[in-house]
Parts: sequence; structure tokens; C-alpha cells
Amino acid sequence: GIQVEQSPPDLILQEGANSTLRCNFSDSVNNLQWFHQNPWGQLINLFYIPSGTKQNGRLSATTVATERYSLLYISSSQTTDSGVYFCAVSQGGSEKLVFGKGMKLTVNP
Amino acid sequence: EAQVTQNPRYLITVTGKKLTVTCSQNMNHEYMSWYRQDPGLGLRQIYYSMNVEVTDKGDVPEGYKVSRKEKRNFPLILESPSPNQTSLYFCASRDKRDRGTSLRHFGPGTRLTVL
Repeated sequence: GIQVEQSPPDLILQEGANSTLRCNFSDSVNNLQWFHQNPWGQLINLFYIPSGTKQNGRLSATTVATERYSLLYISSSQTTDSGVYFCAVSQGGSEKLVFGKGMKLTVNP
Repeated sequence: EAQVTQNPRYLITVTGKKLTVTCSQNMNHEYMSWYRQDPGLGLRQIYYSMNVEVTDKGDVPEGYKVSRKEKRNFPLILESPSPNQTSLYFCASRDKRDRGTSLRHFGPGTRLTVL
């Protein structure tokens, strides 16, 4: 099945710094979502981005489907950005969303 | 407000005591799924349903049952829970358009501990 790899696995930042999270996938996809899992375990939809670029405040995402990767940019990070970030994809008519293992972000004040 | 709800949010139980985790969505979505999240393994799909009375196995269905008698509800049933089912469980839903491209909406999660 499709493989989803996220990098880096862990990242520690000072408040105000910028960061880029990468998601590589091994086959073509028709759905890609980025999630933030907060310290209480809730999965929060950040972006639905099978291709192209989107921005939402300090966050933006770009997916280059032909090269099988997606990037999540966090600018001017805040302590509330801490948590785990997941990339997840699905293919064709499959109902299954395949998740990467996540990237743990810690933003220190 | 469009949402997926799960109950209970937290549950501690003992081996062998049957339990049900409920999932309900108010978006009239056809598709619903259950996932479990374990450290180092990410989220894995347990079961999914494409409509009322239509369900199928995901990657890790052993030890679980589901039913879909109404469009809005998709309960997860553990007939005889075991400690290896201790996990964080998520329910998700989406509408059926575009062969899988539509946005998945996730519930808040249910943290289950089986002693």
C-alpha cells in the first residue's frame, strides 16, 4: 500500500521562529489533509490540499502532486502551535485515509 | 454546527466487559470510519461504512464490530475487550462525492483503557 513519510519527526522552536514540515507519499493520491493534534488529543483539520497552495493566517500548505510531496509552513510560531502534525492521504476510490507517523512540534516561550 | 460527536470521551474498563463507543454526525454524510491511534503507529483504520447497512473491514478489524442502522450513527462495539485494545479511537465522516476526495471530518476522540 501507499507509504506516507513525514519529516522531521521532532522539532523544537523558539516562539516567533518559522518552520517547514514535509510529507512525502509513495504513489499518486486524490486527497491530502494536514491535521494538528492538540495536547488533549483532538485532531484539527488544517488543510484539505490534494494539489496547489492554500493559506490560513500564519499557516500555509503546498502540495506538488506530480512530485508526491506536500509542505506545511508555520510562520511566527506560537506556543499554541505545539502538538503533533499529521499528513494523511487517500487514493482512488479507497475509503481509507493513510496517515504518516506525525511530527511533534514544541514551541518554547 | 457541523460536527462529529463521540461518547464516551474517556473510558476505563476491565478485560471481557462488553462496551460500545458511539459516533454520530449531523452532516448527512454517507461515509463513516473508525480509526485507532497508537504510539509509533499513527492512525489505522478499523472499519468503515459507505451507507446504511453497508460496512467493511479496514486494516485492523480484529476484536471489533460495527453497525450502521441509521445514516447518522456508527457505533463501535468491543464484545470482549482486551488490554491490547487500549488506544485512542477516532470516528470520521465524509460525503460521497468525488470518489474519496472529500474532506474527512473527525470526532474529538475516545481514550479507552482496558485493564
